[in-house]
Amino acid sequence: NAGVTQTPKFQVLKTGQSMTLQCAQDMNHNSMYWYRQDPGMGLRLIYYSASEGTTDKGEVPNGYNVSRLNKREFSLRLESAAPSQTSVYFCASSPQSTQYFGPGTRLTVL
Amino acid sequence: EDQVTQSPEALRLQEGESSSLNCSYTVSGLRGLFWYRQDPGKGPEFLFTLYSAGEEKEKERLKATLTKKESFLHITAPKPEDSATYLCAVQARRSGYSTLTFGKGTMLLVSP
Repeated sequence: NAGVTQTPKFQVLKTGQSMTLQCAQDMNHNSMYWYRQDPGMGLRLIYYSASEGTTDKGEVPNGYNVSRLNKREFSLRLESAAPSQTSVYFCASSPQSTQYFGPGTRLTVL
Repeated sequence: EDQVTQSPEALRLQEGESSSLNCSYTVSGLRGLFWYRQDPGKGPEFLFTLYSAGEEKEKERLKATLTKKESFLHITAPKPEDSATYLCAVQARRSGYSTLTFGKGTMLLVSP
């Protein structure tokens, strides 16, 4: 099992550009999550999908959209990137409570 | 609002020098408390889940304990490979779906 995979690993964008971060899990988990991690701020939840077909906002959803494409895949889209979205983004999945994380995407917005 | 506070922010130990990390929490009914380890440039790695006060779990040199207000991660005779950031998170017991609230972590450095 690969667990949770994320692509790309690194990305540099210019302000105003758009991009989609991809996440996939092969553990047959129902729930999936997107977090951002910034120095001194800890992990903050952006969006989550409790089950296939549902998505909900987390603590910091502004500037992001998500799509739960199927049970395996959960993507995060930045429609118009801003420097404040420079961060490390983690995807996670869980069968019930315990969450399992991917390796992260380091995003820089210039 | 659920809150998690971890202390200290950073801790430097000599190899073999045992110590404890603290996670204080405020939550309206605890469903579970989670400990993760995060190495630089990597995603958090799950360590333990604790569900009720008095519960303890162990893994190699790590032991996690839980009270009604806080959790401790005890590190016995640490080695340099235990160096990492340790994250604590809580999940509240509430109707509907409940997500995790994370603390900011404790960065542990173990010197040989």
